[in-house]
Amino acid sequence: GAVVSQHPSRVICKSGTSVKIECRSLDFQATTMFWYRQFPKQSLMLMATSNEGSKATYEQGVEKDKFLINHASLTLSTLTVTSAHPEDSSFYICSARDPLPVEAFFGQGTRLTVV
Amino acid sequence: QKEVEQNSGPLSVPEGAIASLNCTYSDRGSQSFFWYRQYSGKSPELIMSIYSNGDKEDGRFTAQLNKASQYVSLLIRDSQPSDSATYLCAVNRGSNYKLTFGKGTLLTVNP
Repeated sequence: GAVVSQHPSRVICKSGTSVKIECRSLDFQATTMFWYRQFPKQSLMLMATSNEGSKATYEQGVEKDKFLINHASLTLSTLTVTSAHPEDSSFYICSARDPLPVEAFFGQGTRLTVV
Repeated sequence: QKEVEQNSGPLSVPEGAIASLNCTYSDRGSQSFFWYRQYSGKSPELIMSIYSNGDKEDGRFTAQLNKASQYVSLLIRDSQPSDSATYLCAVNRGSNYKLTFGKGTLLTVNP
């Protein structure tokens, strides 16, 4: 299957700081990428849909000013958690859609811990 | 009603047995259905996709879809300890690949 690379895999930051997470599609062009968040023993919850060259579409209840998404190229989307707080600690996972075949592949995930 | 429902488990089966995982969904407009495997601390890995009613087999895995009953299942034959993981059912309504996930079923295969 296609490869989606997510970086970093783990990050610890202080409360109030910002953290940037990168998601790259390595062997295909992804016009659409998705960002999910997963709390312990919970399912993946879609945060936003990232479209290349346009603004991201956020799910209800997700603060767009707190979770900044940029999809500047067909192979890279970034999620920046601004002014992070301990309640933002979670597992963040991106996925990218490969148009041929039409399947979505996940990055390795980023474990964010805010202390 | 939750959009995608799965039994949370845990489901425990002996090695070599058949594991049966079930999923129901509420949106009749759903078109694509997926099973992902997620090991603890890792991101999901696609196992099977199914788009039309009936069975789809891939190795030890068989996905079954019944759109009339809004039901999709995954059978794992000859279960191995390495199959022990959480299995996530995901549903997509359109072609944009916006997935709605169930909470997952924790499967434990005992040697």
